[in-house]
Amino acid sequence: QLQLQESGPGLVKPSETLSLTCTVSGASIGTNIYYWGWIRQSPVRGLEWIGNIYYNGNTYYNLSFKNRVTMSLDTSKNQFSLRLNSVTATDTSVYYCATYGNETTAFDYWGQGILVTVSS
Amino acid sequence: DIQMTQSPSSVSAFVGDRVTITCRASQDISKWLVWYQQKPGRAPKALIHAASSLQSGVPSRFSGSKSGTDFTLTISSLQPEDFATYYCQQANSFPYTFGQGTKLEIK
Repeated sequence: QLQLQESGPGLVKPSETLSLTCTVSGASIGTNIYYWGWIRQSPVRGLEWIGNIYYNGNTYYNLSFKNRVTMSLDTSKNQFSLRLNSVTATDTSVYYCATYGNETTAFDYWGQGILVTVSS
Repeated sequence: DIQMTQSPSSVSAFVGDRVTITCRASQDISKWLVWYQQKPGRAPKALIHAASSLQSGVPSRFSGSKSGTDFTLTISSLQPEDFATYYCQQANSFPYTFGQGTKLEIK
């Protein structure tokens, strides 16, 4: 059974960088079956797709984040990561990592989510 | 960006009722529409992909359909565990975008 788990700080100061890691079990992030994605959710903005990264490192970002986003893979740890720089209070959200299935074209498996608050 | 507009924003129903939720895309997305169910404090769960294909393990009382740029999620006979918030998401083109959600409440 594929499982994902987000980890990282729950509090980030304005203008700093939000860094989260998603640890995957039950599948290799080197597989070409899935994309690995990040989605966030807040009461004001709803669900927002941040971006996907493929097994070969190709990335697809939501341009609304204005080049603040970087995603990467660590195949040795079976993890993928999100970095969002220059954060403001509007980046306060629950952040989810998820798998995007090439066959289903849906986010099939999700982590439990991690609340990240941007505040000084 | 493609806008996804759901209606209604909330609906109340009895156990056993048939319920329909609609999602309209601002432009053609072919069949690339996903429906999710989310319960409080939990991550969304995919129910239907490609507009009408049931995800593995999802009960058959859930179904999806498409007419042009309008998509419909139908729950044929509501069960107590179906009371949740439902979202649509277009998977046709980047950036993927979600509807604002429909909250299904027990009457």
